[in-house]
Amino acid sequence: GNSVTQMEGPVTLSEEAFLTINCTYTATGYPSLFWYVQYPGEGLQLLLKATKADDKGSNKGFEATYRKETTSFHLEKGSVQVSDSAVYFCALSSGAGSYQLTFGKGTKLSVIP
Amino acid sequence: NAGVTQTPKFQVLKTGQSMTLQCAQDMNHEYMSWYRQDPGMGLRLIHYSVGAGITDQGEVPNGYNVSRSTTEDFPLRLLSAAPSQTSVYFCASSLDYSTVNTEAFFGQGTRLTVV
Repeated sequence: GNSVTQMEGPVTLSEEAFLTINCTYTATGYPSLFWYVQYPGEGLQLLLKATKADDKGSNKGFEATYRKETTSFHLEKGSVQVSDSAVYFCALSSGAGSYQLTFGKGTKLSVIP
Repeated sequence: NAGVTQTPKFQVLKTGQSMTLQCAQDMNHEYMSWYRQDPGMGLRLIHYSVGAGITDQGEVPNGYNVSRSTTEDFPLRLLSAAPSQTSVYFCASSLDYSTVNTEAFFGQGTRLTVV
């Protein structure tokens, strides 16, 4: 079956540091890949997505590239801010007609001034 | 612009009690779903609905019932609460049933404790 593995947290960074949150997946077919973010006290919201190999999703300074050869979708940001403190979830959808998103466990990021 | 609204935000139940978690969306989305989130685990799908009058089971449906009488509402019923159902519950909706390109919108979650 499908599965998503993302790096264990929590991650604590200083403001302006470089962020990488690793995500690897197992899936059949041609999955679409997502990063969702959950800010304190809020629901999950889509951060970025990629629907085919070598696609790069980007939003709010975050980027992730769909690497089929390494089955990875690592999240990166060049300079984090305190406002980026949140829980980040990597997720996949196994393809057209799929009713389910498969989520990783989430990585909590804390950015300190 | 309310989006997806879940009530209540917090609930404590005694073992054996029943209750309904409410979920409503105002975006005219066809697809709605319920997930639970447990410590150290990703979100797991409980039930989903592809439109009014149509529901189906997800990965972990036991102990839960759902119905979808309107496009807007998708309540989740706990029939006889058990401590294993202590979790954070998220309702989500999206424009159609395909998750490939369709963004899912989530509610703020309901934190349920069963004692």
